Amino acid sequence: GAVVSQHPSRVICKSGTSVKIECRSLDFQATTMFWYRQFPKQSLMLMATSNEGSKATYEQGVEKDKFLINHASLTLSTLTVTSAHPEDSSFYICSARREGSSGNTIYFGEGSWLTVV
Amino acid sequence: DAKTTQPNSMESNEEEPVHLPCNHSTISGTDYIHWYRQLPSQGPEYVIHGLTSNVNNRMASLAIAEDRKSSTLILHRATLRDAAVYYCILVPYYGQNFVFGPGTRLSVLP
Repeated sequence: GAVVSQHPSRVICKSGTSVKIECRSLDFQATTMFWYRQFPKQSLMLMATSNEGSKATYEQGVEKDKFLINHASLTLSTLTVTSAHPEDSSFYICSARREGSSGNTIYFGEGSWLTVV
Repeated sequence: DAKTTQPNSMESNEEEPVHLPCNHSTISGTDYIHWYRQLPSQGPEYVIHGLTSNVNNRMASLAIAEDRKSSTLILHRATLRDAAVYYCILVPYYGQNFVFGPGTRLSVLP
């Protein structure tokens, strides 16, 4: 079964509104989670690294005031797309890092389709 | 930039083995080799990972070159459900940064 869950799987919002996407690690604690976006037929693009209890680290070119990330607990990170516009429509994916003795394993959520109309 | 290179696409016949190559010539000593696969409209699914030794699990096998500059994901008997984009990425043990390349799109023919 899934070890990282994302919600909602699909959301449609009006231009100018904000949308929140949740990412939960279900059976492990994740001090680090990652947020990606993916356009059709393209690879995943890392947007930011979410660290529990501290500010997220954003990749170059990603607007931190537009894509708000909060990692308030060891099992939950949220991505809020503020003042959404049609060009923000995309597939957003989160992942969580589970630390282990044989290296870290990254588990991904199911993804969230955002459509801004 | 992605630190791995993979063929853009591969084809396989159903029930036959598939060998998906990955080159990572700039791998560092603390980088683990991870493989994920992604079906359309889904998040990537963990397949397997390793450091130096070959690894086997219920999904696949991972063969790692002795110099660790390349690796091969082996699907022993391809099924139609194995058609996906396969990503080979290097995950640093101590760091957090890893980048997805374009991956290999595997088609499985009935």
